Amino acid sequence: ETGVTQTPRHLVMGMTNKKSLKCEQHLGHNAMYWYKQSAKKPLELMFVYNFKEQTENNSVPSRFSPECPNSSHLFLHLHTLQPEDSALYLCASSQDSGARAFFGQGTRLTVV
Amino acid sequence: QKEVEQNSGPLSVPEGAIASLNCTYSDRGSQSFFWYRQYSGKSPELIMSIYSNGDKEDGRFTAQLNKASQYVSLLIRDSQPSDSATYLCAVKRTGGGNKLTFGTGTQLKVEL
Repeated sequence: ETGVTQTPRHLVMGMTNKKSLKCEQHLGHNAMYWYKQSAKKPLELMFVYNFKEQTENNSVPSRFSPECPNSSHLFLHLHTLQPEDSALYLCASSQDSGARAFFGQGTRLTVV
Repeated sequence: QKEVEQNSGPLSVPEGAIASLNCTYSDRGSQSFFWYRQYSGKSPELIMSIYSNGDKEDGRFTAQLNKASQYVSLLIRDSQPSDSATYLCAVKRTGGGNKLTFGTGTQLKVEL
């Protein structure tokens, strides 16, 4: 248990579906992140939130929409995804200026 | 040129041997360096961080940093089968906010 919880652990969705990934951290951190991990590729940073404010959007397509209602919760809303979006989506948190990121277990997403 | 480069492996070492994992980075402004371990199907777990040139030891793990040559390495002494995993190198630039840039990882196999 890393203190960062993601749900669901697995998700299969059609290209016309709308779904959301949820992340919750119990570590008192104030920075939260979404990463995408595809086979044979490095972890790709998608979004960064500091104190609920989005501070980085790494040129992510608009079919991915993040939401951070408070410092403990982070969502990733998904709509009209493509099969190439199938990947492991990892949430992480850290203290504001530090980079000791703690990861959740990830959501394995398959788009069919 | 990739920002963070690692040999994907697999790197196979016999049990009890020293495993040496290497990472090079392109951004000379990088100041913080991290090694994460990721077991198959699991999320990355931070095992070492290093900020200054030289060696840093923690149990069986030693991180080595050479900023002039832009490389960072991880040595694992007395390798155990439980060390078999993918090791991710991550780099943070000073002033880069909370952004960590990851390599693709090196798969390590420790054989009996």
